[in-house]
Amino acid sequence: AQRVTQPEKLLSVFKGAPVELKCNYSYSGSPELFWYVQYSRQRLQLLLRHISRESIKGFTADLNKGETSFHLKKPFAQEEDSAMYYCALMMNRDDKIIFGKGTRLHILP
Amino acid sequence: GAGVSQSPSNKVTEKGKDVELRCDPISGHTALYWYRQSLGQGLEFLIYFQGNSAPDKSGLPSDRFSAERTGGSVSTLTIQRTQQEDSAVYLCASSYTQGVGTEAFFGQGTRLTVV
Repeated sequence: AQRVTQPEKLLSVFKGAPVELKCNYSYSGSPELFWYVQYSRQRLQLLLRHISRESIKGFTADLNKGETSFHLKKPFAQEEDSAMYYCALMMNRDDKIIFGKGTRLHILP
Repeated sequence: GAGVSQSPSNKVTEKGKDVELRCDPISGHTALYWYRQSLGQGLEFLIYFQGNSAPDKSGLPSDRFSAERTGGSVSTLTIQRTQQEDSAVYLCASSYTQGVGTEAFFGQGTRLTVV
C-alpha cells in the first residue's frame, strides 16, 4: 500500500548546523514527491517539489528511487526555519496526494 | 482570485451536537481534500473528492463523519453527535490536477472545540 513515512516527530538543531528531515515512501508507480511547510499561525504551503529540482530558502531534496527516499536538507539552519514539515506523495493513478505525519523542526539559538 | 476559504474559523460546540464545516476551494480546482490536525499531531487524511469520481472516504474515522461536494465546488464536512476527541483543526485543500507537479492549496482551517 502507498505510504509516506517521516520517522522523526521532532528534530532539534542548532542554528548554523546542517538539517536533514527524513522521508521514505512506498508506492509501486512513478512517484511525484513534495515537501510542504507550516510556519506558526500560517497556512500549510508548498515548499518544493522534486520535479522542479529547485532550492527554496536554502532547502533541497533529492529523490532516491533505490532507497525510496526524499530527504529534505539544508546546510546551515536558520531560526526562521522552525516549522512543521510534511513530506507528500502524489499518486499518478488518481492524482491523490498523501502526506506523512510531519516533523516539527526546532532551531535552537 | 481568492485562495481556499474555510468557515467558520473557530467553532465551539457541545458534546453530542452536530456541526457543519464549509470549504470553498479555488475556482476550477477539480480535487478537494479534508484533513484533520489534532494538537501536536500531524495531518490525518479524511476524504478526497476528484471531479465526478466517487469520493475516497477511506480516512473517515467513523460513520459520524460525512462530507459532500456540491456542483464540483463547495464542500461541507459534517460531524454528527460530536465527541471531545473530535476537537482538532480541520483543514481543507484543493488542487487542479494537471499532471506533473500539481500543488495542493490549503485553507486556514476550522478549529473545532467540543466541550
